[in-house]
Amino acid sequence: DIQMTQSPSSLSASVGDRVTITCQASQDISNFLNWYQQKPGKPPKLLIYDASTLETGVPSRFSGSGSGTDFTFTISSLQPEDIATYYCQQYQYNNLPLTFGPGTKVDVK
Amino acid sequence: QVHLVQSGPEVKKPGSSVKVSCRASGDTFNGYSFSWVRQVPGQGLEWMGRITPIFRKVDNAQKFQGRVTITADKSTSTVYMELNSLRSEDTAVYYCARSRAPGLFDHWGQGTLVIVSP
Repeated sequence: DIQMTQSPSSLSASVGDRVTITCQASQDISNFLNWYQQKPGKPPKLLIYDASTLETGVPSRFSGSGSGTDFTFTISSLQPEDIATYYCQQYQYNNLPLTFGPGTKVDVK
Repeated sequence: QVHLVQSGPEVKKPGSSVKVSCRASGDTFNGYSFSWVRQVPGQGLEWMGRITPIFRKVDNAQKFQGRVTITADKSTSTVYMELNSLRSEDTAVYYCARSRAPGLFDHWGQGTLVIVSP
């Protein structure tokens, strides 16, 4: 199985701050990496796919980058509604199971 | 507008089975695959398996092999996940999720809480 790690596990930032989360895969997954946002009591929401492509309707303050084993997710200017847990997820073709990172909980100071 | 509507919460005894449904509306059912992802309270997301109805193809995570059965009814655009030999560690919210491309979950059901308790 491909293991996904994320750091930090949690962070607290002020409104307007730039927030960066990293995700690392245990082996090369090319750009087969998605990012999701999950708010309490809700299902996850797709934000970024193929490591850097913004899902339709998602604000442009969210972005992603990386390939291979190292990936970054950025919120350019944190908003109060961005309070959530963020998960990365790999989907290397025909390499099951699909796996998620452990999540990064983002709070506002 | 795509909607995935899941069945209601369940309370089950250890050793029993649970079957959760997920009805899709608003788009072509056969053109997509559907996965089941679970979340133990306060923890992360765990992929359990998927079905591609048009090909009748099922892939399960090795962890759940032999305990999970994923099926689909094309006539009602509904997918099902049955989990057997339930134990307390199976207490979780179970989500169905649609994939418009391999491994990409673009729409999710609202989740179904399954509680396993004596």
